[in-house]
Amino acid sequence: GQQVMQIPQYQHVQEGEDFTTYCNSSTTLSNIQWYKQRPGGHPVFLIQLVKSGEVKKQKRLTFQFGEAKKNSSLHITATQTTDVGTYFCANNTGKLIFGQGTTLQVKP
Amino acid sequence: DGGITQSPKYLFRKEGQNVTLSCEQNLNHDAMYWYRQDPGQGLRLIYYSQIVNDFQKGDIAEGYSVSREKKESFPLTVTSAQKNPTAFYLCASSHQGAWGYTFGSGTRLTVV
Repeated sequence: GQQVMQIPQYQHVQEGEDFTTYCNSSTTLSNIQWYKQRPGGHPVFLIQLVKSGEVKKQKRLTFQFGEAKKNSSLHITATQTTDVGTYFCANNTGKLIFGQGTTLQVKP
Repeated sequence: DGGITQSPKYLFRKEGQNVTLSCEQNLNHDAMYWYRQDPGQGLRLIYYSQIVNDFQKGDIAEGYSVSREKKESFPLTVTSAQKNPTAFYLCASSHQGAWGYTFGSGTRLTVV
C-alpha cells in the first residue's frame, strides 16, 4: 500500500537553530498533511498541501510540496522550546496513512 | 465545545480479557478512525468507518473489532486474540471533504 517515509527519526537542536524534517514517497501523492504531537499528547493538524511545488508558511514554519508530488518538507526557523514534539507527515486517500514521524528535542 | 472524547485515559487489564475503548464525537463528522501508536513508531490504522453501520479494516485489524451504530460513537474492542495489546490508542474523526483529522486525547492500555 501507499507508504510515506520520514527522516530523520530524531533531531536534537540548540534553541535558535533551524530544523527540517523530510517526507518521501515512491509514488505520486494527491496531498500531504502535517501534524504535530506534543509529548504525552495527541496529533494536531497543522496544514495540507495539494499542489505541485506548493509552499505555505505559518509563522516560523514553512511547508513545501515537491514538484513531482513525491516529497514534502517542514522547516522550522529559529526553534523554540515550544516546538518540542513529534512531527508527522501523512497522506489522505480516504484514510490517513502516517509517516514514522520526526521527534524534535530543543535544548534551551 | 465540540471535540472527541476518549475514555478512559488509562486502562489496565489482565491478559486474556477483552476490553472496549470508548470514542465519542460531537463534531457531526461522518468518518471516524482508530489508530494505534507504539513507542518510536508512527500511527497505524486499525479500523475506520465513513458512515453509520459500515466500517473497514485498516492495516492492523487482527485482534480488534469495532461497531458504528451511531454517528457519534465508534467503540473499539481489543480482544484476547491481539498478541501485543499494550499501546496508546487514538481515535480520530473527519468531515467528508474536509482536510485535517481531529484526534481525541487517547487511551493508554496496559495489559499485564
